[in-house]
Amino acid sequence: AQRVTQPEKLLSVFKGAPVELKCNYSYSGSPELFWYVQYSRQRLQLLLRHISRESIKGFTADLNKGETSFHLKKPFAQEEDSAMYYCALRAGSYQLTFGKGTKLSVIP
Amino acid sequence: GAVVSQHPSWVICKSGTSVKIECRSLDFQATTMFWYRQFPKQSLMLMATSNEGSKATYEQGVEKDKFLINHASLTLSTLTVTSAHPEDSSFYICSARDPGSSYGYTFGSGTRLTVV
Repeated sequence: AQRVTQPEKLLSVFKGAPVELKCNYSYSGSPELFWYVQYSRQRLQLLLRHISRESIKGFTADLNKGETSFHLKKPFAQEEDSAMYYCALRAGSYQLTFGKGTKLSVIP
Repeated sequence: GAVVSQHPSWVICKSGTSVKIECRSLDFQATTMFWYRQFPKQSLMLMATSNEGSKATYEQGVEKDKFLINHASLTLSTLTVTSAHPEDSSFYICSARDPGSSYGYTFGSGTRLTVV
């Protein structure tokens, strides 16, 4: 069965500092990886997906199959980045498997 | 973009009663919807896949007689927690495939259920 691990429950960084939210997965096949974000009192929304290789709100994530990782990075954190971030994996079907989430707190 | 509307946002009910949560797709048809549950400090866990016009597919360990799912139309799926107990208190979220994206999903705003 697939599994998604986000080792950090809480990550605090200062404004302007680099951010890296870790995500590791286990799956025997070729997964699709996503990052979802939930801002305070808002719904969960898609931030980015590995297949598009895009940068959203300054965030990027590269799928590293060798390390089975999909870490989310941003070079300079902003206060508005404070939110819950969930890494998710889709393995062949419609269903998503989520990590436990990391709460990012950007300190002014 | 595609929006999923979920109601209510929060509900408090007494033990033994039933609670219905609605999930509606706005401006698009969702043949498949997903129901997730999140306990405090835990990850989002898929409970079941709701299929329009047919029975829901439940994940292992989820009691189908307790968590009744009905997907009678292409825009509405409901989750009814029957004979609720305090341990059912959780955060429930529905989602559907975003028709505007080949890969993305759109989520409801969630329902906080508290059983007292």
